[in-house]
Order: sequence, then structure tokens, then C-alpha cells
Amino acid sequence: AQSVTQPDIHITVSEGASLELRCNYSYGATPYLFWYVQSPGQGLQLLLKYFSGDTLVQGIKGFEAEFKRSQSSFNLRKPSVHWSDAAEYFCAANYNNNDMRFGAGTRLTVKP
Amino acid sequence: GAGVSQSPSNKVTEKGKDVELRCDPISGHTALYWYRQSLGQGLEFLIYFQGNSAPDKSGLPSDRFSAERTGGSVSTLTIQRTQQEDSAVYLCASSPGSGWGGTQYFGPGTRLTVL
Repeated sequence: AQSVTQPDIHITVSEGASLELRCNYSYGATPYLFWYVQSPGQGLQLLLKYFSGDTLVQGIKGFEAEFKRSQSSFNLRKPSVHWSDAAEYFCAANYNNNDMRFGAGTRLTVKP
Repeated sequence: GAGVSQSPSNKVTEKGKDVELRCDPISGHTALYWYRQSLGQGLEFLIYFQGNSAPDKSGLPSDRFSAERTGGSVSTLTIQRTQQEDSAVYLCASSPGSGWGGTQYFGPGTRLTVL
């Protein structure tokens, strides 16, 4: 079965430091790829998505993600983390319109 | 403008009872999605509607689950004969686009507890 893996359950970074959250999808035809963020008071929000074309995708809140076919990865990055970025982040892959898989999530803590 | 709304916000029910969860999408959004989030299973996609039709219902966990959308607007997710493993937060999202191309806007969810 297709799957999405987020290897890091919890990451802590200092405010102002750079961030990279890892995501790997199971090998096969390139799915549509997504990153979502879930904050306690904000609910679930789409950060960015990749369907095709340019492998570096820009999203909201200063996030970007890079699709690497050779590594079956779609890692999320941000050059400088803000305290408000503390949240749970989910990577997802849509394989066949109705086959949408989510990773287990990575919880981000931001140290002052 | 108004976002996606879901009702009820919380629902506690007894095992074996039927429940209905409602989603009001953003006005004009043609696509509507249902997900659930639980401690045991994480985030799961259930079903999506394009207009009033759902192209594929295979994401629904069992035949106790059904969903419908009427008038291209409100959607109802019905769970019959609820089981304890149905306890989860049920999330709805809507999108102005078709399929997965548009940006999804999520509602606050309905927390379902099956005793």
C-alpha cells in the first residue's frame, strides 16, 4: 500500500533558526504532494502543494518545499522560524484522486 | 466572509446509535472533503464531493459510513451503529477548485466520542 513517512515525531528549533521537516512518499508514480499545518487555535491549514513543474514550491507563511524524485522526498523548509510556527505539520500524498495518505505528523517546538 | 462551519462541535453518543455530522462549506465552493483525525489512526481522508457527486467512496472506513451532499452545498456524514473506534475528530474542508487543485479551507471539526 502507498504510504507517507515523516521520520521525525518531534523537532525543537530556536527562534530565528532554519527549519527542515522531512517527508518521504512510497515509490511509484509521482503523487500530488501537500504540506498542512495544524495549530491549537487555528485548525488545519494547507501550506503548499506540488502537482508538477518546478520542483521548488513556495507556500504561505514563508514556507517552501522541494520535490526530489530520486529520493521520493518532499521536505518542508523555512529559513527563519518564528515562535508562531510552533504547531503540528503533516505531509500528504494523493496517489489516485481518492487515495490520499497522510504522514503521522511532526510536532515543532520553537525555543525562544 | 464566513468560513467552513461544522455542527455539532462536540457529540457524545452511545455505542450502537446513529449520528449525523454536518458541514457547511464556503459559499460557492464546488469541492467538499471529509477527513477524520484520531489518536490511533492519525489523519485519514474519507471522501470528497465534486458538486453533489462523490466519484469514489472507497475511502469510507466501513459500510456503516455514508455521506451525501445536496444542492452543491451542505454535506452530511452519517455513521450508523457507532463503534468506539469511530471516536475521532471529523474534519470537513471545501475548495473553489475541482479535485485537489484548489486550496482547501478547513472547518473546526466535530469531536465524536462513542461511549
